Amino acid sequence: GAGVSQTPSNKVTEKGKYVELRCDPISGHTALYWYRQSLGQGPEFLIYFQGTGAADDSGLPNDRFFAVRPEGSVSTLKIQRTERGDSAVYLCASSSAAGLGTEAFFGQGTRLTVV
Amino acid sequence: SQQGEEDPQALSIQEGENATMNCSYKTSINNLQWYRQNSGRGLVHLILIRSNEREKHSGRLRVTLDTSKKSSSLLITASRAADTASYFCAKNYGQNFVFGPGTRLSVLP
Repeated sequence: GAGVSQTPSNKVTEKGKYVELRCDPISGHTALYWYRQSLGQGPEFLIYFQGTGAADDSGLPNDRFFAVRPEGSVSTLKIQRTERGDSAVYLCASSSAAGLGTEAFFGQGTRLTVV
Repeated sequence: SQQGEEDPQALSIQEGENATMNCSYKTSINNLQWYRQNSGRGLVHLILIRSNEREKHSGRLRVTLDTSKKSSSLLITASRAADTASYFCAKNYGQNFVFGPGTRLSVLP
């Protein structure tokens, strides 16, 4: 596609429910990142994929958060037993290669609200 | 922490003036990228500057990097009301990117 696509754009869920957030990266991009951004803050790193594997998941806040990228393209961020503190904008980015000298392009984000 | 700081936290200028935002970091980087964000949604990529580069331009944007001071600056010349947004620098230390808290720029018509 022309850019990184994230669905849904908005998600309201009840405390304790399970949610899935989807990211379609730019075609051919091997690196995919998930970030979380709270109001008035900068994006906070969650997890990074190189191909199908999670190369760095050090930013996942706890074991309620999990992400997959089974075919090395689309990724799904999964949050179990949601809490009100999980409310934030979840941002996905992709780049053609990891790290050195490659731009990372972001989607429009999914605004998650836990009530 | 690798995060460093961005300053100022908020900047308000008149249309036509120049805006300068700064970003500092604490350990050596591979590259640094500047982004713009409107209304708390998607980040728009502006400029990437590599650790061996000192200055890059894109239209009205100029980014400098001083590795000895571990700092970068984003200059927006001849600002417009449409430049009103939050601006972030993202430091690349290896694989992921570390963002600072950003600078909120308001350009008044």
